[in-house]
Amino acid sequence: AQSVTQLGSHVSVSEGALVLLRCNYSSSVPPYLFWYVQYPNQGLQLLLKYTTGATLVKGINGFEAEFKKSETSFHLTKPSAHMSDAAEYFCAVSDDDDMRFGAGTRLTVKP
Amino acid sequence: NAGVMQNPRHLVRRRGQEARLRCSPMKGHSHVYWYRQLPEEGLKFMVYLQKENIIDESGMPKERFSAEFPKEGPSILRIQQVVRGDSAAYFCASSPGVAGNTIYFGEGSWLTVV
Repeated sequence: AQSVTQLGSHVSVSEGALVLLRCNYSSSVPPYLFWYVQYPNQGLQLLLKYTTGATLVKGINGFEAEFKKSETSFHLTKPSAHMSDAAEYFCAVSDDDDMRFGAGTRLTVKP
Repeated sequence: NAGVMQNPRHLVRRRGQEARLRCSPMKGHSHVYWYRQLPEEGLKFMVYLQKENIIDESGMPKERFSAEFPKEGPSILRIQQVVRGDSAAYFCASSPGVAGNTIYFGEGSWLTVV
C-alpha cells in the first residue's frame, strides 16, 4: 500500500522568501502524486499533480513540485512567499484509484 | 456544475446520539472517499466506496462507524453512539475513478459532540 511522509508539521517563512515543503512517498508501482491546499474551515483544493511525463509540475498560485523517483520525493516549492499562501498543505499519493494523504504541513508567512 | 456537496456543514450531537453525514459527489463521479480531520492532525483516510460497494474500509473504526453509497442518493457516513473523541471535520471527496484522476473535496462537515 502506498504512503506519504511530510517532513515538518509547521513551516514558517518570511514574505518574499522561498517556500519548500517536503514530501516523500512509498509506492509499489509508479505513483500519481498530488499537492492540495486547505484554507481554514474549507475543503482541500488541488494545487498540482504529477501523473506521467515531465517531472517538474507547475501548479496554481506560483507553486511547483518536482518528482524525483530516485529520492521518492515530491517536494513543493514557491520562489517567493506571499501572505495569502498561509494555509495547510497536504501531499498525497495514489497508485490506483485510492488516495492517501500525508499528515499535512502548516505554512505560516511572516510579514 | 455543482461540486461535491456535503451536509450538514455543522452538526452538534450529545454523547450517545447518532450522527449522519451526507455527501453528494460531483456529477459523473462514481467513487466517493471519506476522510476525518482531527484538530491539529492531518487528514486520515476512512473509507472508499463505489456505487453499492465498499472498496476499502481499512481506515474505519471497527465499531460504531459505517458508510454506504447506495445506487440512488448520496453517500452516508453514519456514526452511532457518538463520543467526544468523534468531534472532528469529516471530508468527502469524489472522483471518476480512473487511476491518477484528481479527487475533489467537499467543504466538510464539522461534528461537535457535547
